[in-house]
This record gives sequence, structure tokens and C-alpha cells, in this order.
Amino acid sequence: EAGVVQSPRYKIIEKKQPVAFWCNPISGHNTLYWYLQNLGQGPELLIRYENEEAVDDSQLPKDRFSAERLKGVDSTLKIQPAELGDSAVYLCASSPSRAHGNTEAFFGQGTRLTVV
Amino acid sequence: AQTVTQSQPEMSVQEAETVTLSCTYDTSESDYYLFWYKQPPSRQMILVIRQEAYKQQNATENRFSVNFQKAAKSFSLKISDSQLGDAAMYFCAYFIYNTDKLIFGTGTRLQVFP
Repeated sequence: EAGVVQSPRYKIIEKKQPVAFWCNPISGHNTLYWYLQNLGQGPELLIRYENEEAVDDSQLPKDRFSAERLKGVDSTLKIQPAELGDSAVYLCASSPSRAHGNTEAFFGQGTRLTVV
Repeated sequence: AQTVTQSQPEMSVQEAETVTLSCTYDTSESDYYLFWYKQPPSRQMILVIRQEAYKQQNATENRFSVNFQKAAKSFSLKISDSQLGDAAMYFCAYFIYNTDKLIFGTGTRLQVFP
């Protein structure tokens, strides 16, 4: 079974440019998370989806960040315009419905963004 | 506030020896899960071990075991017979069942020396 797939693995852009990250969760997983991981820190939640609904986006900087999960499967995270401080690793994770009693989140390999 | 604290930024251990990574957390929730994740240089978070808060028995997974002290809100990870492949960042995290929030600590970098 394929794991969580993220692309690209690396992205270098100039400040003020837009950038988008893509995530394909594990098939059948209803819950999808986007996390931001700064260097030397633990991941911090940006947004969580249950199917196509964003149920927790309280930590998403909505002035420049947006996300979508239109059909409740894959998801994109966008930054426009990017700032130097956005340089970080962006991790996507998915988990099955809690109705199945499973709380484990499976992570992708992340996208390392460098803004210059 | 719900926080996870890992007070050891770096730890080192010799191959075949035992090392313990510490973690404390703060929550008012009664129903939650605790996790240790491993993050190698490939960046992919890998679940090492999980503990349900309602279970008193400490979880074990092969060479990995935890010491869960619920009253003290402590959740340490013990790695026995350390191997070179255990070298990685280790993150303690807890999952709040009624909100689906997964909150991470700042991590401990583990080095394993031959």
C-alpha cells in the first residue's frame, strides 16, 4: 500500500512569489493534516480536514496561506506571496476515521521550502 | 495551554546500550493518546510506539518501551540494545481524542556511536 505522497520534495522560490504543495493521502483516510516544521522544532498544525471540510484552520495564516481538499482525497496548500520566514518543511499526514478506533497519523516525507 | 516538553535537545548512546528520552506534557483532558515518533534525515515521521492514557500498563514494541506516569504527566521512551539505525530526531506527541489535535514536542536528537 502506498504511503502519504507529497510533492515536490524541495522547492526554492524568491520572496513574494506564489508556491503550492500537493499531498495525496493514504487511500481511505478521511482525516488529512498539514503541518509546518521549522528547523529544530516539532511540527505545528496548520489545518486539518475531515473529508473535504476544514474542521480546524485556526493556526493557518489566512492572509497568505490557503488550502483545499475539493473531493476529500488529495489536497493542496498554497502560499501567496511567500516571505523569507516561510522557509520550513511542510508535512502532510493522514489518518483513518476515528470511528475505526485508530488514531495513528501517517506522514509523508514533506516539502522543504526555501524562500530567498 | 496544551504543551509537550522535551527537555533534552540532544542525547547520545553507544551501540547495544540503553538510552531513555524524557517527555512531559500538560493537559486537562482525560481521554488522550501519547506517541513517540522518529524522524530520520529523510524527514518522514515514523510511529515508534503508542500509549492509551486509560491503560496503566506501559506499552512495549520490541526494543522500545515507555514509562507512562499519568499523575506526573510524564511519558519517557526507553530504547534498549541501541542500533546505529536508531539515530534520528525523536518527537513526543499527544493526541486529544475529542478534538483530533496531535501536538508535538520540540524533539530530541539521538546519536548512536559504534
